[in-house]
Amino acid sequence: NAGVMQNPRHLVRRRGQEARLRCSPMKGHSHVYWYRQLPEEGLKFMVYLQKENIIDESGMPKERFSAEFPKEGPSILRIQQVVRGDSAAYFCASSPLPTGGHTEAFFGQGTRLTVV
Amino acid sequence: QKEVEQNSGPLSVPEGAIASLNCTYSDRGSQSFFWYRQYSGKSPELIMSIYSNGDKEDGRFTAQLNKASQYVSLLIRDSQPSDSATYLCAVNGGGATNKLIFGTGTLLAVQP
Repeated sequence: NAGVMQNPRHLVRRRGQEARLRCSPMKGHSHVYWYRQLPEEGLKFMVYLQKENIIDESGMPKERFSAEFPKEGPSILRIQQVVRGDSAAYFCASSPLPTGGHTEAFFGQGTRLTVV
Repeated sequence: QKEVEQNSGPLSVPEGAIASLNCTYSDRGSQSFFWYRQYSGKSPELIMSIYSNGDKEDGRFTAQLNKASQYVSLLIRDSQPSDSATYLCAVNGGGATNKLIFGTGTLLAVQP
């Protein structure tokens, strides 16, 4: 059973370009969470999605960031017009149920975004 | 007040000793607690979950939960240099989304 798959592992973008990060959850998992980890900081929640629905985007910056989880295919985190402050590791986690209760979330390997 | 607090460390212990990592949380309604290990440049790896007051043991790891004190800890027995990593405490945020709230992590360094 493959784990959570994220790609690309490393992404370099120039300021003003778009970044698209992909996450395929573990088989049987329909709940996806995106987290951002800035250098020397902890993981910060960004958005929680189920298939075709955004459940909680309270951690997403108001502008330039969007996320989707279509019926078919991976979840996508999209960052438009990237700035240097967007440089971070972006992690996706998946779970079979919401992570409340007795449900564990498993993380992908992350995408390291560098904005130059 | 931060929602999940951890001492950033580094916590240095000699090989073979017990490492004790601590975490406090602010939301009394939290029901699920997790410890993740993160090696430098890698992704978080789930090592323990705990849901009830008391101790939960898994190999060299023991998680302890005290909901009255809003305190959760992780003990690592017979620490090995390979245990050197950042340990992240995570608490479920409750509500409709049950998102995980993470502490900033404690860096553990096991000295050979």
